Amino acid sequence: EIVLTQSPAILSLSPGERATLSCRASQSVSRYLVWYQQKPGQAPRLLIHDATNRATGIPARFSGSGSGTDFTLTISGVETEDFAVYYCQQRTSWPLTFGGGTKVDIK
Amino acid sequence: EVQLVESGGGLVKPGGSLRLSCAASGFTFNSFGMNWVRQAPGKGLEWVSSINSGSDYIFYADSVKGRFTISRDNIRNSVYLQMNSLRAEDTAVYYCARGGSALPYYFDLWGQGTLVTVSS
Repeated sequence: EIVLTQSPAILSLSPGERATLSCRASQSVSRYLVWYQQKPGQAPRLLIHDATNRATGIPARFSGSGSGTDFTLTISGVETEDFAVYYCQQRTSWPLTFGGGTKVDIK
Repeated sequence: EVQLVESGGGLVKPGGSLRLSCAASGFTFNSFGMNWVRQAPGKGLEWVSSINSGSDYIFYADSVKGRFTISRDNIRNSVYLQMNSLRAEDTAVYYCARGGSALPYYFDLWGQGTLVTVSS
């Protein structure tokens, strides 16, 4: 099973600041790494698939990078609606696995 | 409107059974793989099961293998999760999610979730 480790667990930022979230895999997942956003009481929402591809309707301030075992989700300037929990997921092999999440909250 | 709507959650005793349903609308259901993902209260996301469009390929997490069964009906545009021998650790919100890619999937459309509580 591929283990995904997200860091930091909590990221406290002010609106307008840059957010950098990390996801590290226990073995290579090539580029098959996905990012989701989840707000309280809501279902997750797809942000980025296959490391760098923004999903339909996702603002350009969200970007993904990385390959192999190290991946980054960047929010170029955090807006109030971006305060949420972010999860990564690998789709290289079964079982599909998620990281433990990074909570982005207001400083 | 493109959406997934889950139903069937509720309170069940340990060892009991429950069947979750997910109704799809607004897209060509028989062209997409479907999945169940769960989230225990206050915890992260856990993949449970996947089924491809033709029901040829089915996968389960080890934690549910032998107890849960995923199926789909491409006429009724629905996917199901039959859950048997339920345990306290199965307590979670269960989300139905559409596969947005070829296997193995990422999840590009999610339902609102249905809560399953396993307790005596």
